[in-house]
Amino acid sequence: DVKVTQSSRYLVKRTGEKVFLECVQDMDHENMFWYRQDPGLGLRLIYFSYDVKMKEKGDIPEGYSVSREKKERFSLILESASTNQTSMYLCASSLETSGPMEQFFGPGTRLTVL
Amino acid sequence: QQQVKQSPQSLIVQKGGISIINCAYENTAFDYFPWYQQFPGKGPALLIAIRPDVSEKKEGRFTISFNKSAKQFSLHIMDSQPGDSATYFCAASIGRGSTLGRLYFGRGTQLTVWP
Repeated sequence: DVKVTQSSRYLVKRTGEKVFLECVQDMDHENMFWYRQDPGLGLRLIYFSYDVKMKEKGDIPEGYSVSREKKERFSLILESASTNQTSMYLCASSLETSGPMEQFFGPGTRLTVL
Repeated sequence: QQQVKQSPQSLIVQKGGISIINCAYENTAFDYFPWYQQFPGKGPALLIAIRPDVSEKKEGRFTISFNKSAKQFSLHIMDSQPGDSATYFCAASIGRGSTLGRLYFGRGTQLTVWP
């Protein structure tokens, strides 16, 4: 079974703090993704990575950065957390393939910024 | 702009009824159309997917209908059960180029099936 794990299920931080969200997958997947999920807005892509040290901006990258030093690990960084970054954050991974690309999701981290 | 538009936002169906969720897209380069199911407290998981070379795909009680000319696709859940209560997301992707692997999601439909 593919497993995508996220470092925390719940996180509470203060405005201005630097926040790290960690994601690890155990299936040697090339592609990894960070989304945020908000009611009524669905899943919005923040950043994705198709290889170690490679990254691509998604639709809402402002206020976020990412790091991928190892294939299995993809970190999302909030340089200076703000209250409008309170959200559910989901990590996903998928194989690099020319066929259908199923994404496997972690359970999510619910981040509250006070 | 929203690449994939999904409706309705919420849906209430009686047990045994048919649930229908609709999605529309504009980008004709999309060539893979999955549906994801998400239960409370869990991440989304792939439910069923279709390629544009077929008009319908069925897996058990779940069917995707695909209309290439109208650029629309829909999920039908037959004999809906309370255990189907979840949030459903449609998505689309382009299977080549720099966007390989990237999915464009609809905003989701919260389905409630009453017993």
